[in-house]
This record gives sequence, C-alpha cells and structure tokens, in this order.
Amino acid sequence: GESVGLHLPTLSVQEGDNSIINCAYSNSASDYFIWYKQESGKGPQFIIDIRSNMDKRQGQRVTVLLNKTVKHLSLQIAATQPGDSAVYFCAENLSDYKLSFGAGTTVTVRA
Amino acid sequence: KAGVTQTPRYLIKTRGQQVTLSCSPISGHRSVSWYQQTPGQGLQFLFEYFSETQRNKGNFPGRFSGRQFSNSRSEMNVSTLELGDSALYLCASTSRQGSYEQYFGPGTRLTVT
Repeated sequence: GESVGLHLPTLSVQEGDNSIINCAYSNSASDYFIWYKQESGKGPQFIIDIRSNMDKRQGQRVTVLLNKTVKHLSLQIAATQPGDSAVYFCAENLSDYKLSFGAGTTVTVRA
Repeated sequence: KAGVTQTPRYLIKTRGQQVTLSCSPISGHRSVSWYQQTPGQGLQFLFEYFSETQRNKGNFPGRFSGRQFSNSRSEMNVSTLELGDSALYLCASTSRQGSYEQYFGPGTRLTVT
C-alpha cells in the first residue's frame, strides 16, 4: 500500500543550496521512518532514520524532521552537491520490518 | 563486510514462464525482505523471511513465493509470468536485532515479453 507519499515528484536545486524533500504519511501508528537514496542502476541506500519518539535527527549534511501532529516527514540536505542527484524515498515501518515506501522525489542538482 | 548480493542482475522471460531470483544477505543478517519496484507502483513489499520462516507478506498474488535457507540466503519465485511482472526486484537484509534498518541489494531487472 502507499501509505507514505512525497509531496513533489521532482526537485531542482542549485549546487551549494540546501534541499528540502517532504513526505506525508498516513499511519499514525508507525514507529520508525527512514530516508533512502536511490541512484540509477542501484538499490536504495540508507541515508538516515528516526523513531517516532523523536522530532529531529541529524547526520552528516542531512537532517530529518518528524511532525507527528500533521504526519509529516522531511529530509534536509545542506550544501547540495552533484552527487546528491538521485531519487529519494521516505519509508515507514508499518509493522515488524514491513516497510511502506513513498513514490519518491527525483532531485536534480544544477551546476 | 560484503553487501547484499542478488543474482542474476538481468533476466528476460516470456509470458507464462516461471523465474527464480536469488539473494544473499549481509553476513550475520538473518532477515531478508523482497520488494518489487515499478515506475507506476513504486516500491512495494512482497514478503519477509526470518529464520527460514515467512514473517510478513504483502498484497501480491500467490504466483509470488519465496523461501529462505538455513544459511539465510533467500530465493523468490514467480510462476506463470505476466507482462506486468516486469520490474526491478530488490532484496534487503536486516539483523532484526533492535534495528529496522534494511540494506538493499542492487536488484534483479526482470523483463517479461
């Protein structure tokens, strides 16, 4: 099922700018969320995760924000680089290792 | 540590045939999940195996099946292939020990003609 969805299918960003990718989820019982990055010809690669008892988590150049009130998830990428061009998926853990993925946002970085 | 491997990487089959795909998880990971990825439906969960037992199942017809061996390697089988089964089939492994993080393989690209 598609209980997790992204707001925009595509995002074009200037190199060096910050990127924000949004995702809405519908299952209020989901307790774990992940952002994946998928480059052409490869499988999804883990970026960052967050549990439902948190509202913010930071990694290297990435930050995930979780707003449980409106069931919204976002991924912020600082100083976007050409290597960040990819499709980004949010996913929620519906139950016991069953992930539901959003449709994906294609990020294109302009030089 | 080696990542998740999938074989074959590419496959072309004819409608009505059956196909078997293989996945070797990261060493030490005992859970393997399978996903189907298509442009229209995105990434959809097929099933998960842990300790040779199916623990979770998605909403796919019975033509899609899988199994897991004692060494945690997994296979999925699709019988009576249809054109709509053309997709990238991804396998992911996890330790199932406190973390939900799943590590994906590169996928098998199946084309049904």
